[in-house]
Amino acid sequence: DAKTTQPNSMESNEEEPVHLPCNHSTISGTDYIHWYRQLPSQGPEYVIHGLTSNVNNRMASLAIAEDRKSSTLILHRATLRDAAVYYCILRDVGSGGSNYKLTFGKGTLLTVNP
Amino acid sequence: DTEVTQTPKHLVMGMTNKKSLKCEQHMGHRAMYWYKQKAKKPPELMFVYSYEKLSINESVPSRFSPECPNSSLLNLHLHALQPEDSALYLCASSQVIRDRTRRYGYTFGSGTRLTVV
Repeated sequence: DAKTTQPNSMESNEEEPVHLPCNHSTISGTDYIHWYRQLPSQGPEYVIHGLTSNVNNRMASLAIAEDRKSSTLILHRATLRDAAVYYCILRDVGSGGSNYKLTFGKGTLLTVNP
Repeated sequence: DTEVTQTPKHLVMGMTNKKSLKCEQHMGHRAMYWYKQKAKKPPELMFVYSYEKLSINESVPSRFSPECPNSSLLNLHLHALQPEDSALYLCASSQVIRDRTRRYGYTFGSGTRLTVV
């Protein structure tokens, strides 16, 4: 899997937007950008994924740079329940797409202040 | 049902014991995974099953023995573990066939917190 780089930690205030960056300068054309988060004492949880276009769902938005070498996960209004480790992961499903490995990097620990 | 259920939630075992971790999902996913997570570290992949067959073993010691008896169940049998094997063991499942029109992320369970004494 191609490598991603994320800040070790970030801090936000409740009800403010949060922008979590991820650099992936070695991304290939068939790599999807996935985001997962892990709340304390829980398993990781899928957040969002995208290939080239920006994506929105009920949890977050994913903004992907035009050259795809970076992306940003956007939480529009952070709540205390969003405090978690956020993982940016590249997944290659361009070669036939049967089962595949999901390899976690170190992630970003997000702290949300009340 | 959109959950992965892991049992037990906590397990304490001695180094000479034999125990098993259980994972169950009813989402029709045909790929299932075991991950190990040490404190303050990211999850590390151990095993991947696809259509009930072991497809990836990430060089895991033989004291960990996975089993997939059917498409809904995944077990991890433990024998002669060491204290350094103490960790959170996570099970996950996913679709096998790529479908760009649908979400194909992994669904994780909450894990089994294992302590080896």
